[in-house]
Amino acid sequence: KNEVEQSPQNLTAQEGEFITINCSYSVGISALHWLQQHPGGGIVSLFMLSSGKKKHGRLIATINIQEKHSSLHITASHPRDSAVYICAVLSHSGSARQLTFGSGTQLTVLP
Amino acid sequence: DTGVSQDPRHKITKRGQNVTFRCDPISEHNRLYWYRQTLGQGPEFLTYFQNEAQLEKSRLLSDRFSAERPKGSFSTLEIQRTEQGDSAMYLCASSAFGGRGAAGELFFGEGSRLTVL
Repeated sequence: KNEVEQSPQNLTAQEGEFITINCSYSVGISALHWLQQHPGGGIVSLFMLSSGKKKHGRLIATINIQEKHSSLHITASHPRDSAVYICAVLSHSGSARQLTFGSGTQLTVLP
Repeated sequence: DTGVSQDPRHKITKRGQNVTFRCDPISEHNRLYWYRQTLGQGPEFLTYFQNEAQLEKSRLLSDRFSAERPKGSFSTLEIQRTEQGDSAMYLCASSAFGGRGAAGELFFGEGSRLTVL
């Protein structure tokens, strides 16, 4: 079992829809990142959070440490939101400070 | 400072050749990470540096791979005797650790895509 599981793997939505992408993890963490990757490879960090909720524009990220679960929400989705969204966790076990990544959720927003 | 930059963006090489990728992190960032990403998968950790010290290497980093960060600024990742299985996107990221502001937030480069024929 992967340490970081994302769902769904693929998501197609109509413009304007509310979107939720889920991330579950199995290890103790010090922080969780939500990342956005566009075709061509470049990755942009959307959020880093260790508790509660953060909001930036139409994006909202929440985390429940007890349940080891995080969600990324996109309100009023737009075709330019189409990208791969990746959840990554920073483990606090061991001495390594490294991220473990989920395999990503491919989001396609249709006009 | 425009962020993390990587060079080259795309490299096509024949099996058996050596390749080197360069990463220039954000200037005040003391941590630098290398990741590898294959098609349809999330990135996998390869190695990271704090300043010039290489603190950890993944088991994925075979003897053919070497990374350096000689002056604690830019880093290079060299792959010797490339194999077709090395074809992937090589991503670099940097972060500021122990400083002010959003310590630990990662900033990624655009990646260097390697194709081994």
